[in-house]
Amino acid sequence: QKEVEQNSGPLSVPEGAIASLNCTYSDRGSQSFFWYRQYSGKSPELIMFIYSNGDKEDGRFTAQLNKASQYVSLLIRDSQPSDSATYLCAVLDDDSGSARQLTFGSGTQLTVLP
Amino acid sequence: EAQVTQNPRYLITVTGKKLTVTCSQNMNHEYMSWYRQDPGLGLRQIYYSMNVEVTDKGDVPEGYKVSRKEKRNFPLILESPSPNQTSLYFCASSLIPGGGETQYFGPGTRLLVL
Repeated sequence: QKEVEQNSGPLSVPEGAIASLNCTYSDRGSQSFFWYRQYSGKSPELIMFIYSNGDKEDGRFTAQLNKASQYVSLLIRDSQPSDSATYLCAVLDDDSGSARQLTFGSGTQLTVLP
Repeated sequence: EAQVTQNPRYLITVTGKKLTVTCSQNMNHEYMSWYRQDPGLGLRQIYYSMNVEVTDKGDVPEGYKVSRKEKRNFPLILESPSPNQTSLYFCASSLIPGGGETQYFGPGTRLLVL
């Protein structure tokens, strides 16, 4: 059973601070990693994806991947109250056939305090 | 506008009364899937479909059926709903198998089985 683990939180940070969200995964063969933001009662929204070791930056968001440690993280700089949401980590396996599956973590609830 | 639609958005039913949740996408995607989301468990895949008439089980298929007679539609059928199927359901479609960065989620269907 492939597993994706996240700290459920809640994680609270003050406005303007850096929020750091972490995720570990069990399948060493995983190749693609995704971060979704989900507001309460809404559908998940893709905010970042990363395939290679290292950092990937997009605006205030930075995804970090370390395949050796099976660890992926999301940093949110200059956090805003509008960033308050649940953040889901998802991992796509490397099966090139029909069995490719996106496995989600349970999510980390982030609250940005004004 | 690219979108995935689901109906109904909210549904209250009783144990054993068959129901269908519809899902439709307008992006000509071949891959579609159904997820359920429960507190503390993240999104878990119920069924997926690689194309018309090609469907397969995800992680939690028990008690559900699907069909894919047309590319755009992927209905979820609960033949005899039970209270443990009370959940938030999301349909998704994507260009590539498994989802990933091309995946779009529907708005969700909140189901309560009494």
